[in-house]
Amino acid sequence: EMQVVESGGGLVKPGGSLRLSCAASGVIFTNAWMSWVRQAPGKGLEWVGRIKSKADGGTTDYAAPVKGRFTIFRDDSKDTLYLHMNSLKTEDTAVYYCTTVPRYCRLGGCYPAAGDWGQGTLVTVSA
Amino acid sequence: DIQMTQSPYSLSASVGDRVTITCRASQSISSFLNWYQQKPGKAPKLLIFGTSNLHSGVSSRFSGSGSGTDFTLTISSLQPEDSATYYCQQSYTFFSFGGGTKVEIK
Repeated sequence: EMQVVESGGGLVKPGGSLRLSCAASGVIFTNAWMSWVRQAPGKGLEWVGRIKSKADGGTTDYAAPVKGRFTIFRDDSKDTLYLHMNSLKTEDTAVYYCTTVPRYCRLGGCYPAAGDWGQGTLVTVSA
Repeated sequence: DIQMTQSPYSLSASVGDRVTITCRASQSISSFLNWYQQKPGKAPKLLIFGTSNLHSGVSSRFSGSGSGTDFTLTISSLQPEDSATYYCQQSYTFFSFGGGTKVEIK
């Protein structure tokens, strides 16, 4: 089981930028696929994006609302995941969670899921 | 993008009741369906992966079923600690979540 701790949230003006960090410990971060999930105040969960391990190509994928504005990257030497957010909008206001994305296997298949979650960090976009 | 629709939006049931939450995908996702539980002010926790497989440490009163586009989460005998919001999530293509179902105890 991996422990993840997010940081970097805060208040930012519309159009501004912010970078979130997610420090991981407990398992080999290098092998882990990671994702970001956000939750606007009083709302449901929304997937933001993911990054594969470098061994699996290190590629990233994003949800449509953030594509072109948000970038996920990782520093395996520091066991840290990042989310760089540009051109922030008021609708980006949310708690941002970092999660691991292990594949859970049983007879019949292997299934990716958000296994370990941090406590979240609040991003508020407001003038 | 795959859209996930949950119902009901909320429900209220008594301790010991059997509770069922449904989740529908906008296209077939095979068995790539996970369920999460979230309590107020806390991060979500994985309950079930691959439609019907209980995550480590999860009570056996939780069960999941379905395939293709229609799935259910069942709590066989509702307990006070089950008061929470439950989310389904598809992992067939990236991730997407259902809107959530809030379960309250009468």
